[in-house]
Amino acid sequence: AQKITQTQPGMFVQEKEAVTLDCTYDTSDQSYGLFWYKQPSSGEMIFLIYQGSYDEQNATEGRYSLNFQKARKSANLVISASQLGDSAMYFCAMRDPWGDSSYKLIFGSGTRLLVRP
Amino acid sequence: GAGVSQSPSNKVTEKGKDVELRCDPISGHTALYWYRQSLGQGLEFLIYFQGNSAPDKSGLPSDRFSAERTGGSVSTLTIQRTQQEDSAVYLCASSFGPAGGVETQYFGPGTRLLVL
Repeated sequence: AQKITQTQPGMFVQEKEAVTLDCTYDTSDQSYGLFWYKQPSSGEMIFLIYQGSYDEQNATEGRYSLNFQKARKSANLVISASQLGDSAMYFCAMRDPWGDSSYKLIFGSGTRLLVRP
Repeated sequence: GAGVSQSPSNKVTEKGKDVELRCDPISGHTALYWYRQSLGQGLEFLIYFQGNSAPDKSGLPSDRFSAERTGGSVSTLTIQRTQQEDSAVYLCASSFGPAGGVETQYFGPGTRLLVL
């Protein structure tokens, strides 16, 4: 069964510094997609970045980058130059496009990030 | 264009009452998904629609939960005879392509349900 593990319940980072949020996953499939979402206190899940298992380059979107290490089954999110507005819950999620449950996202338990001024 | 919208944003109800939660997906999105997020928990998949059909309802917690989608657009999640354990945030998402693959799911703001 697929599983996402986020081992950091909470993280602090100083404004303008970079921070890495950890995510490891477990799947026996070769083809899958990895996602990061941000959930501010308002509750909406905001899509940040996507990495396909066959993508050779790490995904980047503005200040967000995904440190994808396939052999280690890790997909860590790196946020550069943290801003106060980055304070939120961050969820790592996986989707297996070819499995029996290809339609559902499997989520980790989340990491709460607090950016200090 | 507009994102996924959900209504109501907050709902307080008494135990035993029925509630209806509405989701309006992004225009043109064919797939629609419902998730539940209990306090301090991750997201739990409930059901998805491809068009108007729901091929897999096994994520629904009990037979008190049902959902429908009409016209390939708006979806309604109904909870009958609500219980206190139903209190959670109910999130709806939609994606452009078929439910299979790695289409990005875009989420709405959620409905916060509190059952007293």
